[in-house]
Amino acid sequence: DAGVIQSPRHEVTEMGQEVTLRCKPISGHNSLFWYRQTMMRGLELLIYFNNNVPIDDSGMPEDRFSAKMPNASFSTLKIQPSEPRDSAVYFCASSFIVYGTSEQETQYFGPGTRLLVL
Amino acid sequence: QQQVKQSPQSLIVQKGGISIINCAYENTAFDYFPWYQQFPGKGPALLIAIRPDVSEKKEGRFTISFNKSAKQFSLHIMDSQPGDSATYFCAAPTGNQGGKLIFGQGTELSVKP
Repeated sequence: DAGVIQSPRHEVTEMGQEVTLRCKPISGHNSLFWYRQTMMRGLELLIYFNNNVPIDDSGMPEDRFSAKMPNASFSTLKIQPSEPRDSAVYFCASSFIVYGTSEQETQYFGPGTRLLVL
Repeated sequence: QQQVKQSPQSLIVQKGGISIINCAYENTAFDYFPWYQQFPGKGPALLIAIRPDVSEKKEGRFTISFNKSAKQFSLHIMDSQPGDSATYFCAAPTGNQGGKLIFGQGTELSVKP
């Protein structure tokens, strides 16, 4: 298996531009997570999808951030408009979780997208 | 909001020494405590995890010790090697449904040859 695939790996953009990050989860996984990692705030969960449905988006910082999962093999995280404080590494992770149970399973992380907003 | 407090922030150990990283958590609905390892430029990867039926789990040189009454768990790395140099994150379940984790702030481990 190729693992979780993220693109682009690096993104440099100017303040005010729209940024779209992409993720392909591991085949067969039904849960997808978007995380943001910074030195100051560590690893923060932004949003969690289960069976393509957003379960918890309480970590999404503000309306400038949006995420979609149109099918089981693709998700996007969009920032519009982008700001310098959005500069971070964004990770996508996937897992197989039966939502509503106490089962906890390994989350498999992608390589991340390093975003720099100038 | 639920937190996981991890210490120390950074750790320097000589090759062959023991590395110890500690985490304290608040109330969780489930007992599942994983440790993730992250190398520079890579995503975190599961290193070892402990589930509720045991107080200690060992995999090779890595051991998790779990103290439910104190709400603490720790990672011990025996015979630390330079290749173990990485950032380590503990995590704990959060919320009432499965799947969601909250991560500690991370410990940057450096093993000197």
